Amino acid sequence: GAVVSQHPSRVICKSGTSVKIECRSLDFQATTMFWYRQFPKQSLMLMATSNEGSKATYEQGVEKDKFLINHASLTLSTLTVTSAHPEDSSFYICSAQRAGGTDTQYFGPGTRLTVL
Amino acid sequence: LAKTTQPISMDSYEGQEVNITCSHNNIATNDYITWYQQFPSQGPRFIIQGYKTKVTNEVASLFIPADRKSSTLSLPRVSLSDTAVYYCLVGAFSGGYNKLIFGAGTRLAVHP
Repeated sequence: GAVVSQHPSRVICKSGTSVKIECRSLDFQATTMFWYRQFPKQSLMLMATSNEGSKATYEQGVEKDKFLINHASLTLSTLTVTSAHPEDSSFYICSAQRAGGTDTQYFGPGTRLTVL
Repeated sequence: LAKTTQPISMDSYEGQEVNITCSHNNIATNDYITWYQQFPSQGPRFIIQGYKTKVTNEVASLFIPADRKSSTLSLPRVSLSDTAVYYCLVGAFSGGYNKLIFGAGTRLAVHP
C-alpha cells in the first residue's frame, strides 16, 4: 500500500511553454500533497504544500504564478510550470500524506523536466 | 522547524551492519522521526518511522534515546543495492500536516 505515481516520468519542452505534472495517490486518500524540486547532487527542496480544495502554500522564494498547483481531489495534485525556462530544468518530486494515521509522507518516482 | 545533522558520507562492505546517526537537538514534543532512502533519479522511499525507544521492521531498526535529541538508523547486513542517500527527517506539524525539510542526507557507499 501507499503508492504514489507521477506522470510524466520525463518531459522535454521548449523555452516559453508550459508543462503539467500529475501526482496521484493510488491506494489511499491524501488530504495533503507536497511538491519538491531537486537539482543534481543536491537535496530535495520543498516548493509548496497542497491541501485538497484550498490554495497551495508556497515556500519562500518560490513564485506561485510560475508554479501553479491544483489539488482538485483527495488523490490528485498537479503542478504546472508556466513559461518554462532552462533554469527550471530539474527533478520534480511529489509526496502525499495519508489522511489520518501517523502522517507519513509517501513519495512519487519523480519527473525529470528538461527545458531547451 | 527541527534541524537535523547527519554525516555527509559513509562507507561499508557487503554483509556488515551500518549505523547512521542523526542529531536533532531541537525536536518538538509531537515530532516523529522518519528515515528515507533515495536512489539516483528516484523519489525517496520510506524506510522507518519512530517516536521513542526502538522500532524495527523488515529492513531496518531505529533507535531513539530517551531525550530524543538523536536517532540511529541501523541497516543489518548491507548489500551493494543499499548504496544510496539516506535522509533523517523530523516532522513539523503545521496546520494539520507534516512539513518535512530535507537536510543534505548521508551518502552510503557499500563496497564488495
